[in-house]
Amino acid sequence: KAGVTQTPRYLIKTRGQQVTLSCSPISGHRSVSWYQQTPGQGLQFLFEYFSETQRNKGNFPGRFSGRQFSNSRSEMNVSTLELGDSALYLCASRELNTGELFFGEGSRLTVL
Amino acid sequence: AQSVSQHNHHVILSEAASLELGCNYSYGGTVNLFWYVQYPGQHLQLLLKYFSGDPLVKGIKGFEAEFIKSKFSFNLRKPSVQWSDTAEYFCAVNVGGSQGNLIFGKGTKLSVKP
Repeated sequence: KAGVTQTPRYLIKTRGQQVTLSCSPISGHRSVSWYQQTPGQGLQFLFEYFSETQRNKGNFPGRFSGRQFSNSRSEMNVSTLELGDSALYLCASRELNTGELFFGEGSRLTVL
Repeated sequence: AQSVSQHNHHVILSEAASLELGCNYSYGGTVNLFWYVQYPGQHLQLLLKYFSGDPLVKGIKGFEAEFIKSKFSFNLRKPSVQWSDTAEYFCAVNVGGSQGNLIFGKGTKLSVKP
């Protein structure tokens, strides 16, 4: 079956702009988690959605938001971009029984 | 707050050397434990996982990890590394059941010299 699909793979924005990233989970998975990956900080948890509801949230400012649609696809949005938002944003869908996360290849955001 | 510590930021080994990457977590309750690997230019993928039972778990590509509850540790081992093991390795802990948050360590970059 198809894996987790993230779009776009690469994007460049300037400070102050906003960005929307998309994630399609593995078919049948209803949970989608988002992580920010930066060198030296590893993976930092942004939020998790399950059945269109935010279930868990990390310690990121309100500029970072997300949502999930009825088909389990998820989007995350970052408003008023800052240089420090440059990172690889990873989406993962979770297997219900084991809790194992399956990751997409990520969306690499560069903020100039 | 729960946290995961990976002791080594960057490990450099020669082929055939043995590997042990440390991972400690801070949480007193029941945990599920994972090691993920990220090869250069590829997505994160699961190496192995521990939920319960035998504390010595075996994963893909000859990796294994041992859960030592008294030490809050889940160290990753491989008897003989290969150049193809060059990657970044992440330890992760799931607290609060299978649907709880998965908390990652900051990762250990492994470079294997041919």
